[in-house]
Amino acid sequence: DARVTQTPRHKVTEMGQEVTMRCQPILGHNTVFWYRQTMMQGLELLAYFRNRAPLDDSGMPKDRFSAEMPDATLATLKIQPSEPRDSAVYFCASGLWVGRTNQPQHFGDGTRLSIL
Amino acid sequence: DAKTTQPPSMDCAEGRAANLPCNHSTISGNEYVYWYRQIHSQGPQYIIHGLKNNETNEMASLIITEDRKSSTLILPHATLRDTAVYYCIVRSRGGGADGLTFGKGTHLIIQP
Repeated sequence: DARVTQTPRHKVTEMGQEVTMRCQPILGHNTVFWYRQTMMQGLELLAYFRNRAPLDDSGMPKDRFSAEMPDATLATLKIQPSEPRDSAVYFCASGLWVGRTNQPQHFGDGTRLSIL
Repeated sequence: DAKTTQPPSMDCAEGRAANLPCNHSTISGNEYVYWYRQIHSQGPQYIIHGLKNNETNEMASLIITEDRKSSTLILPHATLRDTAVYYCIVRSRGGGADGLTFGKGTHLIIQP
């Protein structure tokens, strides 16, 4: 089965360090989503792209977070500088949107981030 | 998007059918009902979706009431591996088009 692949699966680093999380969407999907999950807030949408262009990043802290799609097979989420409150599981999902299609989005298994 | 209401937790015996309810009384005509589940330490997994007709796939069945104000996800023969948090989500367009809004879901525990 086609899968969304996220790397690394786990990351532990000290506050102030730059963190980069990577996502390989399912081949052929044109929409990529980033979510964050914490015990307190649950699953929240951070940002998403369509055809590599950012469509909505209103859920993302602008000052330290950035999301990009260097090409159709790679999406990145960067935090610089990282803070302990950024500790969470970050999920990437991908989906296909073409006009009126109604296909679900599929999730990777996440990057578990701990900022000390 | 319509808000959904789910019970916080449910138990079901292994081998029995698990019926998970979802209330979406403010759903509008162009909104779909999606179900995802999240097994511990994994990403959310798509289960099924529907608009107004009942749907069935290899994982589950989705029963939507005629007035569309509620639905039930049915796992016909629950196994221990079905223990997870189940999310009912209502979206106006294809699930691949926009971000999903997750509530707290129902924690389904399958008992041996």
